[in-house]
Amino acid sequence: ETGVTQTPRHLVMGMTNKKSLKCEQHLGHNAMYWYKQSAKKPLELMFVYNFKEQTENNSVPSRFSPECPNSSHLFLHLHTLQPEDSALYLCASSQPDKKNTEAFFGQGTRLTVV
Amino acid sequence: LAKTTQPISMDSYEGQEVNITCSHNNIATNDYITWYQQFPSQGPRFIIQGYKTKVTNEVASLFIPADRKSSTLSLPRVSLSDTAVYYCLVGDSGTGRRALTFGSGTRLQVQP
Repeated sequence: ETGVTQTPRHLVMGMTNKKSLKCEQHLGHNAMYWYKQSAKKPLELMFVYNFKEQTENNSVPSRFSPECPNSSHLFLHLHTLQPEDSALYLCASSQPDKKNTEAFFGQGTRLTVV
Repeated sequence: LAKTTQPISMDSYEGQEVNITCSHNNIATNDYITWYQQFPSQGPRFIIQGYKTKVTNEVASLFIPADRKSSTLSLPRVSLSDTAVYYCLVGDSGTGRRALTFGSGTRLQVQP
């Protein structure tokens, strides 16, 4: 248990569906991240939020829409996805104003687009 | 961003010591070196972090030479459960993103 909780753990959705991934942390962290990890590939940083403000968007397609209503919650809204979007989606949090902070990851959501 | 270079894969046997070296020639003065472990279908897990010299915890040791252009993660007496991907990250945690850009990592396979 890392203190970062992601739901759901598994999700199967059609290309025309709309779904949302949820991430929650009660570690008091002010930075939250979304990563995508395709099969046997490195983690790809998608979005970064610092103090609820989006500070990084790594050229992610608009069919992925993040939302950070407060420092403890992060969502990833999904719509009209493609099969190649099937992957493990990981959320992480850290305290960016600490010099030697470590990041805590959730268990991830395994997404399959059919 | 300081780029890191690690071996793609390593093999070992149970009970052996494993050393994984990471090169980071462009490390900046404010950068820390952090290692994570990732099992299949799970999020990465923090192992150890250091700035210079040697750091040891209950899981591993981290050796950093004086020039800080490389670092070595040392896993003593590995077991089958240490089979995982190990990532070396270099960055200044104060900026958030720089500290959490992952490279390809080193896939460690421990054999019985």
